[in-house]
Amino acid sequence: DIVMTQSPATLSVSPGERATLSCRASQSVSSNLAWYQQKPGQAPRLLIYGASTRATGIPARFSGSGSGTEFTLTISSLQSEDFAVYYCQQYNNWPWTFGQGTKVEMK
Amino acid sequence: QVQLVESGGGLVKPGGSLRLSCAVSGFTFSDYYMSWIRQAPGKGLEWVSDISSSGSTIYYADSVKGRFTISRDNAKNSLYLQMNSLRAEDTAVYYCARVPAAGWYFDLWGRATLVTVSS
Repeated sequence: DIVMTQSPATLSVSPGERATLSCRASQSVSSNLAWYQQKPGQAPRLLIYGASTRATGIPARFSGSGSGTEFTLTISSLQSEDFAVYYCQQYNNWPWTFGQGTKVEMK
Repeated sequence: QVQLVESGGGLVKPGGSLRLSCAVSGFTFSDYYMSWIRQAPGKGLEWVSDISSSGSTIYYADSVKGRFTISRDNAKNSLYLQMNSLRAEDTAVYYCARVPAAGWYFDLWGRATLVTVSS
């Protein structure tokens, strides 16, 4: 199975600042990488697919980059509603696997 | 509007069974692959099972293979997960999710149903 490793586990950021989240795959997943946001008590929400394509309705402050084994989710200017847990997921090889999550908390 | 609504969760003893359902509305259910994904309390996401649009192709995670059965009824716009021989480690919220044609990620999620396996 492909292991997805996210870093850091927790990211403390002030509103308006930039947040950079990393996701590393144990082997190449090409660009078959998605990012999700999950708030407490809610279902995950798709943010990015294909490593860099924003899902419908996702604000432009969210951007994804990378390919192969190294990926980044950037939130350009954090808004209050962006404090949440973020997961990456590879869909290049079955079984589909998720990272353990990065919690973005208010500094 | 587009909706996925899970039901059927509850408290069950180890070795017991439950059947989860996911009622879908707002899109053409029969056009899409569907999945079940679970999340243990305070933990991350774990993919459980997939089913093709016709139901002819099915995949399971090794952790549930032989114990869980995914199925669907396109006439009823419903997805199911029959869970047998339940273990404490199956305790989680279970989400149904839609798989878009563009790739095996999950573009729509239900609100989940909680399964607790405990004596």
